[in-house]
Amino acid sequence: EVQLLESGGGLVQPGGSLRLSCTASGFTFSTFAMNWVRQAPGKGLEWVSSFSGSGNHIVYADSVKGRFTISRDNSKSTLYLQMNSLRANDTARYYCVKADYYDGSGYYFDYWGQGALVTVSS
Amino acid sequence: DIQMTQSPSSLSASVGDKITITCRASQSISRHLNWFQQKPGKAPKLLIYGASTLQSGVASRFSGSGSATDFTLIISSLQPEDFATYYCQQGYTTPTFGQGTKVEIK
Repeated sequence: EVQLLESGGGLVQPGGSLRLSCTASGFTFSTFAMNWVRQAPGKGLEWVSSFSGSGNHIVYADSVKGRFTISRDNSKSTLYLQMNSLRANDTARYYCVKADYYDGSGYYFDYWGQGALVTVSS
Repeated sequence: DIQMTQSPSSLSASVGDKITITCRASQSISRHLNWFQQKPGKAPKLLIYGASTLQSGVASRFSGSGSATDFTLIISSLQPEDFATYYCQQGYTTPTFGQGTKVEIK
């Protein structure tokens, strides 16, 4: 059974930093692309960043580029999100999401963690 | 970025109704369109990928269709557990989601 368990959320002041972790189990972690997707309170879903399963292809949403850093440790089956220079509008639940491909090119999110709540407030 | 627009933003329906949610992409995304269901306090759940392929374990009353810029999610006979918010998402380029459609009980 695929499981994704996020940790590291909490309350942080504007301009502060936080690191989220996501521990995965139930699949060969190194093989699959992993993502962070966030959801502000009462709002919709926003993709944040992805890290490919093979190689080092990393992509960020414009809203976090230059402030957030995604990384992974395949030996620990763990995905990370280092968040710096946090703003009030970064307040959201951050989901760790496994991705897969179909037909060789289509990309979809097949498993989601329960999320870690990040609150940026003074 | 490719913009995804869902309609309606919300709808009220009764158990047993057939409902249709549409999703339009700002440019062609071939058939790289996925649908998710989210219930309050829960993570989103994948329903359909590749516009029309039902994810394993998802009830057959859910179906998807479309290509290029116009897509549809149909629930053929609404069940009590289907009252939720539904999101489309394009997987053609860097992912983007629709704004969501909330399905409420009439």
